[in-house]
Amino acid sequence: DVKVTQSSRYLVKRTGEKVFLECVQDMDHENMFWYRQDPGLGLRLIYFSYDVKMKEKGDIPEGYSVSREKKERFSLILESASTNQTSMYLCASSLWGQQETQYFGPGTRLLVL
Amino acid sequence: QKEVEQNSGPLSVPEGAIASLNCTYSDRGSQSFFWYRQYSGKSPELIMFIYSNGDKEDGRFTAQLNKASQYVSLLIRDSQPSDSATYLCAVNNAGNMLTFGGGTRLMVKP
Repeated sequence: DVKVTQSSRYLVKRTGEKVFLECVQDMDHENMFWYRQDPGLGLRLIYFSYDVKMKEKGDIPEGYSVSREKKERFSLILESASTNQTSMYLCASSLWGQQETQYFGPGTRLLVL
Repeated sequence: QKEVEQNSGPLSVPEGAIASLNCTYSDRGSQSFFWYRQYSGKSPELIMFIYSNGDKEDGRFTAQLNKASQYVSLLIRDSQPSDSATYLCAVNNAGNMLTFGGGTRLMVKP
């Protein structure tokens, strides 16, 4: 079974803090994704990576950056957390060319105070 | 901005009935279409995908696609309380990215 894990289920941070969200997958998938999910807005893509050190902006990249130094690990960074970044963050992975079959991690619920 | 629209619901159906979930999309060049199910507090999971116009059946689930009308739907026959979840429609336009709708919350009442 594909397993996607995220470093934290719940996180509370203060405005202005730098926040790291980590995602690890164990199936040698090329593609990795970071989404945020807010009520009524569905999943919105923040960033996508199709290979080590490669990244592409999604629909809402502002205020976020990413890092992919190893194939299995994709990190989302909030350089200076703001209250409007309070959300559920979901990581996903898929094989190259099989973007429809995205396997999701359990999510990190981030609260920025 | 490519858009995928769904009625947020909740859609309430009695047990044993057919639940019909609908989705429209704005990009006429969209190639493939997906339905994900998300139980409360859980991650989304893929349940159906469809590429061609018409119907695709998998057990109690049928996906329907009409590219001319830019419309995709999911029918759930013999709905069960365990089908109660939020159903997310997703569309692939190009490359490896999906655009998700806001989801429809389905409630199946015993």
